[in-house]
Amino acid sequence: GAGVSQSPSNKVTEKGKDVELRCDPISGHTALYWYRQSLGQGLEFLIYFQGNSAPDKSGLPSDRFSAERTGGSVSTLTIQRTQQEDSAVYLCASSYLDYSYNEQFFGPGTRLTVL
Amino acid sequence: QKEVEQNSGPLSVPEGAIASLNCTYSDRGSQSFFWYRQYSGKSPELIMFIYSNGDKEDGRFTAQLNKASQYVSLLIRDSQPSDSATYLCAVGPTGGGNKLTFGTGTQLKVEL
Repeated sequence: GAGVSQSPSNKVTEKGKDVELRCDPISGHTALYWYRQSLGQGLEFLIYFQGNSAPDKSGLPSDRFSAERTGGSVSTLTIQRTQQEDSAVYLCASSYLDYSYNEQFFGPGTRLTVL
Repeated sequence: QKEVEQNSGPLSVPEGAIASLNCTYSDRGSQSFFWYRQYSGKSPELIMFIYSNGDKEDGRFTAQLNKASQYVSLLIRDSQPSDSATYLCAVGPTGGGNKLTFGTGTQLKVEL
């Protein structure tokens, strides 16, 4: 595809429900990142998949958050037992794994609202 | 202390003026620095990156890096209303690599 795609674009859920957010990176990009952006805030790093290496999960805020990347391509971010404070825009980005130039290309985001 | 700090603004400049956006960072070993622009309701997009001390120019944009002072800035010459957006500073880790730390962004308003 031409760019990073994410689905759904909007998700409204009730507190306590589980949600899954999907990211399709740019073809050939071996690095994939998830961020969270709350209203008026910067990007909060969540998790980073770097090729075949173990993912960097250091930004996940709690054990309710998990992510997978299947076949080195599509990634799913799962939030279990959602809370109202999980409401935010979840952004996915991808890049080449290249020390010298690591421009991250962002998807359009998923706006999550937890009622 | 935040790892990457930016003044949240808003920074208001008249059309045609120079807009100066500043960013400081705490990791002295950081080697890569990025400026992303984010329009309201949209995703961030990269506009400049810089690795070496000094200035780097690209059209109306100039990135300035001073590693000794742990300071990176973005100058926008001949500011246009279309430049009105939030500008995010992002810093790469010590030793290089892809994991970036973002500041909270500076909102720029270019007024007619």
